[in-house]
Amino acid sequence: EVQLVESGGGFVQPGRSLRLSCAAAGFTFDDYAMHWVRQAPGKGLEWVSGISWNSDSIAYADSVKGRFTISRDNAQNSLYLEMHSLRVEDTALYYCAKDLRSGWPISAFDVWGQGTTVTVSS
Amino acid sequence: EVVLTQSPGTLSLSPGERATLSCGATQSITSSYLAWYQQKPGQPPRLLISGASRRATGVPDRFSGSGFGTNFTLTISRLEPEDFAVYYCQYRGFGPGTKVDIK
Repeated sequence: EVQLVESGGGFVQPGRSLRLSCAAAGFTFDDYAMHWVRQAPGKGLEWVSGISWNSDSIAYADSVKGRFTISRDNAQNSLYLEMHSLRVEDTALYYCAKDLRSGWPISAFDVWGQGTTVTVSS
Repeated sequence: EVVLTQSPGTLSLSPGERATLSCGATQSITSSYLAWYQQKPGQPPRLLISGASRRATGVPDRFSGSGFGTNFTLTISRLEPEDFAVYYCQYRGFGPGTKVDIK
């Protein structure tokens, strides 16, 4: 079964850090670009970051640039998101998503995890 | 940077009616990278259409996508009860969404 399972979310104070993970199964992980998408409570979808199959191409939304780092380990079929200097406005459900393509530009996301919740509050 | 707009914000229709959702881009975009998603409460988004008009696997043929340049459309020919949801278009980033609710 094709699936993505996110983990690592939690409650954190502003300015602190958190690392999200996404475990992939059921497809050839290193054939596809991968992305993080977030959704604040009651709000729409926001693309956060993406990485090509071989990590050669990486991009971030302006809202997280310089604070978040995306990476992947193809040997472990895993995607990561290191989040630093967290802000209250980073509070959201964070989804891991699989691209239809291996590289750039961003195509469409055909597989999604259930998400992991990040809450930033003092 | 391309910004997507979606209209209307909310569409109130009855089952069996036709739904027409619009997605506009602030500059001309490549149709190959325009996608549509459906999201129901408590669920992750589901890919409906990629490449502006290509239905994803398992998507019923009552869903169709069209458009080019700066104007794109998602059409649901006859609304089924399970189609009442929020719909997003995407070109890299996402549009703000259109909620289709029951009239």
